[in-house]
Amino acid sequence: GAVVSQHPSWVICKSGTSVKIECRSLDFQATTMFWYRQFPKQSLMLMATSNEGSKATYEQGVEKDKFLINHASLTLSTLTVTSAHPEDSSFYICSAPLRDRESGANVLTFGAGSRLTVL
Amino acid sequence: AQSVTQLDSQVPVFEEAPVELRCNYSSSVSVYLFWYVQYPNQGLQLLLKYLSGSTLVKGINGFEAEFNKSQTSFHLRKPSVHISDTAEYFCAVTSDTGRRALTFGSGTRLQVQP
Repeated sequence: GAVVSQHPSWVICKSGTSVKIECRSLDFQATTMFWYRQFPKQSLMLMATSNEGSKATYEQGVEKDKFLINHASLTLSTLTVTSAHPEDSSFYICSAPLRDRESGANVLTFGAGSRLTVL
Repeated sequence: AQSVTQLDSQVPVFEEAPVELRCNYSSSVSVYLFWYVQYPNQGLQLLLKYLSGSTLVKGINGFEAEFNKSQTSFHLRKPSVHISDTAEYFCAVTSDTGRRALTFGSGTRLQVQP
């Protein structure tokens, strides 16, 4: 079945460095991808919508200069956490809509997530 | 705007017992509803979805859910749970699957005890 691949699955970095997380749609194309953030024992909060060929749309309260999103192709979106701080430590999950053959609607398929720990 | 309420943050249940995880939503337009399961340190796996048609939808792992428009609910049920069902379950809603992301509930931790 269709898969969304996310890499790396976990990363530890020093405060002040930047970290890039990749999200790839395998065997299907995605003009839109969604990036979520999840704190421990909490729900998923939408950070931004990644759009192929145009700028990402950020949710209120999410710093676009802090969380850089680039949708380079129809199968790849990247999230770069710039000048990371310990409070950026979280679980980041991407998703891409996949067309449901029966209904024609799109169903979000999620990556396995990337756990970021900033020391 | 839409919102999702999962009334129970935790549901402890014994193995082989039935379980119901509650989900209520609010929306001024037609909705599409989903249940996802998340195992520790993993992404989300789709359990089932309501897009149109029959209000009783069956998903993977023996789960089912019923869309009740008058009560704005989409409760998840399983007649007999297993230890392996222990996980976090999220209900989610969207009004436009093509252009809008999902809005998630706060999650329900299902803890199956032997």
